Amino acid sequence: GAVVSQHPSRVICKSGTSVKIECRSLDFQATTMFWYRQFPKQSLMLMATSNEGSKATYEQGVEKDKFLINHASLTLSTLTVTSAHPEDSSFYICSAPGQGEWETQYFGPGTRLLVL
Amino acid sequence: GQNIDQPTEMTATEGAIVQINCTYQTSGFNGLFWYQQHAGEAPTFLSYNVLDGLEEKGRFSSFLSRSKGYSYLLLKELQMKDSASYLCAFMDSNYQLIWGAGTKLIIKP
Repeated sequence: GAVVSQHPSRVICKSGTSVKIECRSLDFQATTMFWYRQFPKQSLMLMATSNEGSKATYEQGVEKDKFLINHASLTLSTLTVTSAHPEDSSFYICSAPGQGEWETQYFGPGTRLLVL
Repeated sequence: GQNIDQPTEMTATEGAIVQINCTYQTSGFNGLFWYQQHAGEAPTFLSYNVLDGLEEKGRFSSFLSRSKGYSYLLLKELQMKDSASYLCAFMDSNYQLIWGAGTKLIIKP
């Protein structure tokens, strides 16, 4: 099946720094990718929809200037957490629908962010 | 509006059967998904139902009733490795997944 990778898998950073998370579709093209955040013992919360070649669509309550999304190619979307704070510490997961398969979502393994 | 609900936690015994229920409300519907998520890992796909009825896949089965806004995931011959959170989600008319909060399943020997 299709594979989605994320890098890094785990990152620890100081408060105030920026962190970039990459999401790649390895063997298929993804014009759309989804970014989720998951706090401990909670379900996934959709942050934004990343669209190749155009601006991302952010969910209500998600600051677009804080969570910068760039979908520069058909296989790569990046999420940059700018000026990270301890409350941004979370598990960030991306997913992409299979090519021509809107009902199938392929998830990346997730990135655990800890902001000190 | 849209909402989705599932129990927070369930406990079952190794070798037994457990049914995890999920109810939802939405005006647009493009299918119901079940995912398994172990602690610290991304969800993994279990099943997808878009038509009414039961879909069986090995030890796991999933059922959907669109008229009732109801689905369940049935796990048979429970194993200790089945201890995980089980997330139900429906896909709305915009092809966006709306997630339940997840059901933590605890398997006891």
